[in-house]
Amino acid sequence: QVQLVESGGGVVQPGTSLRLSCAASGFTFNSYGMHWVRQAPGKGLEWVAMIWFDGRNKYYSDSVKGRFTISRDNSKNTLYLQMNGLRAQDTAVYYCASDGSGSFDDPAYYFDFWGQGTLVAVSS
Amino acid sequence: DIQMTQSPSSLSASVGDRVTITCRPSQTISTYLNWYQQKPGKAPNLLIYGASSLQSGVPSRFSGSGSGTDFTLTISSLQPEDFATYYCQQSYSSPPTFGQGTKLEIK
Repeated sequence: QVQLVESGGGVVQPGTSLRLSCAASGFTFNSYGMHWVRQAPGKGLEWVAMIWFDGRNKYYSDSVKGRFTISRDNSKNTLYLQMNGLRAQDTAVYYCASDGSGSFDDPAYYFDFWGQGTLVAVSS
Repeated sequence: DIQMTQSPSSLSASVGDRVTITCRPSQTISTYLNWYQQKPGKAPNLLIYGASSLQSGVPSRFSGSGSGTDFTLTISSLQPEDFATYYCQQSYSSPPTFGQGTKLEIK
């Protein structure tokens, strides 16, 4: 079955960097777009970034554009989120999620499978 | 960005009740509307996509309807495991945006 496992979260100081990983299994990872979605403590869901199945195109929310970089290594079935210049308002559980489109299709921008999430806390 | 407004924000109901949650986007989105269920400490789970298509493995007591600017999620007969928070999400235009959530509690 589909499994997405995030790692790399932790407690960091403002202005520092962190890289999240999402290991995928149970499906043909290189055929699907992937997303990062976050949830601040006690708050709702916020889309962060997405990457096409082949890494050709990447899109970001305005709140992270220029600070975060999404990437993928299809040979390792792994999705990444490099987060630089972290701010207190980036504190959240970060989920990776697969795009609901068919394989090799343009992204559908909904999220059919999710990881369990990894907590990023930015605090001085 | 398209703003998504859910109502109510919270709801108390009993096992066996029929429950309806409404979602209204700030502009028309055809049927590019999706629903998720989230339980405390867990990741969201896709229930409905394309306004009315049931995700594989989701019980048939869940249904979605609507188009344009008016959508509903209906649970036909509440079960104990359905008490959770529900989110709508538009996939019509980027960035994809979510409603604020509806917390469904036991009466």
